[in-house]
Amino acid sequence: GQQLNQSPQSMFIQEGEDVSMNCTSSSIFNTWLWYKQDPGEGPVLLIALYKAGELTSNGRLTAQFGITRKDSFLNISASIPSDVGIYFCAGPSGGSQGNLIFGKGTKLSVKP
Amino acid sequence: DTAVSQTPKYLVTQMGNDKSIKCEQNLGHDTMYWYKQDSKKFLKIMFSYNNKELIINETVPNRFSPKSPDKAHLNLHINSLELGDSAVYFCASSQKQIMNTEAFFGQGTRLTVV
Repeated sequence: GQQLNQSPQSMFIQEGEDVSMNCTSSSIFNTWLWYKQDPGEGPVLLIALYKAGELTSNGRLTAQFGITRKDSFLNISASIPSDVGIYFCAGPSGGSQGNLIFGKGTKLSVKP
Repeated sequence: DTAVSQTPKYLVTQMGNDKSIKCEQNLGHDTMYWYKQDSKKFLKIMFSYNNKELIINETVPNRFSPKSPDKAHLNLHINSLELGDSAVYFCASSQKQIMNTEAFFGQGTRLTVV
């Protein structure tokens, strides 16, 4: 079945640094989604991408839908302590379910 | 005004018990889901429910059964709970089943089976 490989698994950075994480899939996606999960909360949608090559920003976050449609990256600029959490990439499973499949997450820790 | 709300947030119960988790969405979405997040934070689909059509992930034990009294609610019933059922369960909803599957998640229910 479809798989999403997300990297890195975890990151420890200093406040103010930029962060980059990426996701690759074994098959073509027509949508890429990036979610953030805070401790004890559910995933919250950050950015949705629908077209190959699309580059979308949401504040300090920027995400791109790869040209091959098999990858996406998320960048966070000038990180702050509240950026701490787990970031997930996700895409449609492709089956009739309409559900998402998720990467294994990138756990971000920010040192003040 | 919470978009997807689920209760309870925490549930501790003994092995063998039957329990339910409730979920409601006020977004007017057509499709609702249950996901399970294990101790390694991996999120996996359990069920999706759209217009009275239930699609089950074949790996989910039949002790788990979703019940939808109406479009805004999808409850999860679990019979004969086992230790391995301990996890965080997330309800989610989305507008369209196939395309543009942006899903909105509840806060999660942390189930601990002792």
